[in-house]
Amino acid sequence: QITLKESGPMLVKPTQTLTLTCTFSGFSLSTTSVGVGWIRQPPGKALEWLALIYWNDDNRYSPSLKNRITTTTDTSKNQVVLRMTNMDPVDTATYYCAHRQGHNMPFFDYWGQGILVTVSS
Amino acid sequence: EIVMTQSPATLSMSPGERATLSCRASQSVSTHLVWYQQKPGQAPRLLIYGASTRATGIPDRFSGSGSGTEFTLTISSLQSEDFAVYYCQQYGNWPPLTFGGGTKVEIK
Repeated sequence: QITLKESGPMLVKPTQTLTLTCTFSGFSLSTTSVGVGWIRQPPGKALEWLALIYWNDDNRYSPSLKNRITTTTDTSKNQVVLRMTNMDPVDTATYYCAHRQGHNMPFFDYWGQGILVTVSS
Repeated sequence: EIVMTQSPATLSMSPGERATLSCRASQSVSTHLVWYQQKPGQAPRLLIYGASTRATGIPDRFSGSGSGTEFTLTISSLQSEDFAVYYCQQYGNWPPLTFGGGTKVEIK
């Protein structure tokens, strides 16, 4: 059974760096073709893709955010970490991590519950 | 970047009715298109991928069609649990993966 859960601060100040952790079970990022995505959703708005992290570290990032985003993985802990620098109130959103369905399938079949991050001074 | 446009923004329907939701891509994505359902306070749920393949456990009242730039999600007979927001997402030309703005299916 695949599960994912996001953790991290629910409130960050403008200009700070956001660090979110996705802890998952039911699969391993050391397995070929596995991927984990990050997606966010501002309150009342649509979904926005941020990043897709692959088993082989051949990661993909949103072009509009790639200068602000870094990701790391800890396969022993089954975790993926997202860091986003220079946070702004417009970055207020629910942040989700999700499991990629499979090879050449960059969409998401299992999602975490999401974590609402508010950016405010 | 491929822009995904969904219409209508809101669909007011009665239970038992047939719902037709549209998604248009700004350029061809072949059949690399998925649909998600999202209920309030919940994460999205994968419904359809490859434009027309139902994901595991999805009832057959949900069907997807289309290719290129025009796609449709049809719910043949709306059940109470189907009232939600529906998003399309393309993976034909990425990064970035892009989502539509969503269609809310509400009870009439």
